[in-house]
Amino acid sequence: GENVEQHPSTLSVQEGDSAVIKCTYSDSASNYFPWYKQELGKGPQLIIDIRSNVGEKKDQRIAVTLNKTAKHFSLHITETQPEDSAVYFCAARWASGGSNYKLTFGKGTLLTVNP
Amino acid sequence: DAGVTQSPTHLIKTRGQQVTLRCSPKSGHDTVSWYQQALGQGPQFIFQYYEEEERQRGNFPDRFSGHQFPNYSSELNVNALLLGDSALYLCASSDGRYSPLHFGNGTRLTVT
Repeated sequence: GENVEQHPSTLSVQEGDSAVIKCTYSDSASNYFPWYKQELGKGPQLIIDIRSNVGEKKDQRIAVTLNKTAKHFSLHITETQPEDSAVYFCAARWASGGSNYKLTFGKGTLLTVNP
Repeated sequence: DAGVTQSPTHLIKTRGQQVTLRCSPKSGHDTVSWYQQALGQGPQFIFQYYEEEERQRGNFPDRFSGHQFPNYSSELNVNALLLGDSALYLCASSDGRYSPLHFGNGTRLTVT
């Protein structure tokens, strides 16, 4: 099955700096990689996702890059703001003849943006 | 546009009891997945329902069962509760089995 490793487990940055969170996955057949933001007391919120036929995707201050050869993908947040403080999860879904639908999540990164 | 709604928000049960959690998917979504999130961990897949059938199941015992209704809403049932079942139970919906998941805010289950 799929395994997803996420680093770092905690990340503290100053407001305005950039933050980078990295994930590696084990199954080369994985083809979908979403990122979720989870604030205290809430469920995970999808912030960006990427599919295996794309190397990079941007949405305003957020970008995700994918390196299929190395089997890793990263979340980049630029110009961080205090409201970006939350736990971020990466996830992967591996293709299995059209019968696998589950996401496998990393353990999360607690991002703190200091004013 | 209402997102995914779950009820109840919090629940306290005693070991050995049974519990039912409920989920209404986002408008337009026909697929519901359930995840368990232990404290400090990422969500773990329990199962997915589509067209009122369980389509895939994660590594959870048969004590965990579910149901999807014709209006696409879903229930998660857990029998013979164990202390280790204490967790945040998340429901996620999507418009199709491979589409992006949208999560509700979860039900916090505490087993004493």
